[in-house]
Amino acid sequence: NAGVTQTPKFQVLKTGQSMTLQCAQDMNHNSMYWYRQDPGMGLRLIYYSASEGTTDKGEVPNGYNVSRLNKREFSLRLESAAPSQTSVYFCASSVTQGARNSPLHFGNGTRLTVT
Amino acid sequence: EDQVTQSPEALRLQEGESSSLNCSYTVSGLRGLFWYRQDPGKGPEFLFTLYSAGEEKEKERLKATLTKKESFLHITAPKPEDSATYLCAAHNQAGTALIFGKGTTLSVSS
Repeated sequence: NAGVTQTPKFQVLKTGQSMTLQCAQDMNHNSMYWYRQDPGMGLRLIYYSASEGTTDKGEVPNGYNVSRLNKREFSLRLESAAPSQTSVYFCASSVTQGARNSPLHFGNGTRLTVT
Repeated sequence: EDQVTQSPEALRLQEGESSSLNCSYTVSGLRGLFWYRQDPGKGPEFLFTLYSAGEEKEKERLKATLTKKESFLHITAPKPEDSATYLCAAHNQAGTALIFGKGTTLSVSS
């Protein structure tokens, strides 16, 4: 039981390049999330998917797109990377968004540097 | 605006020296207050959820409490392995997302 798996663990991009961050969970959770974590800023929500087939913007969605590929997988795409997107990206999942006894479970992150 | 504030930013303790971390929140219709532990290079690990004022939860040397404005994470007789960043987060009435504080980095030396 791996929980939430993110790939890659590290990535360096040049400004303007694109890439997709992958996330998969094996806990049969309905809801999935993408957060970014920056020094002094805390964790901020980029996008979330309350259930398979739905996605919604979070606090900081600009410059990102997401795809809920199936119940297990939720990807985050940077179409044209910018230095401001240098960050650590965390994927998380929960049984059901907003429900009691449904905490978020996080992956170990993708460390992205944009030069 | 919903907000979660943690203090102090950093805390250094000697092994066995008990202390508390604070999380104050201004959230409309709190639906849950969460504590997470984050080790360097890792994702946050869930510790506790508290739902109503007066509620307490314990796990080993950690005890979390909740009032109408704050939550405390009490650490009793800490050990070096308790060194980590502790994150507090709140679910507001809309329940769409967790609102995270910036964390308290705890260092426990032997």
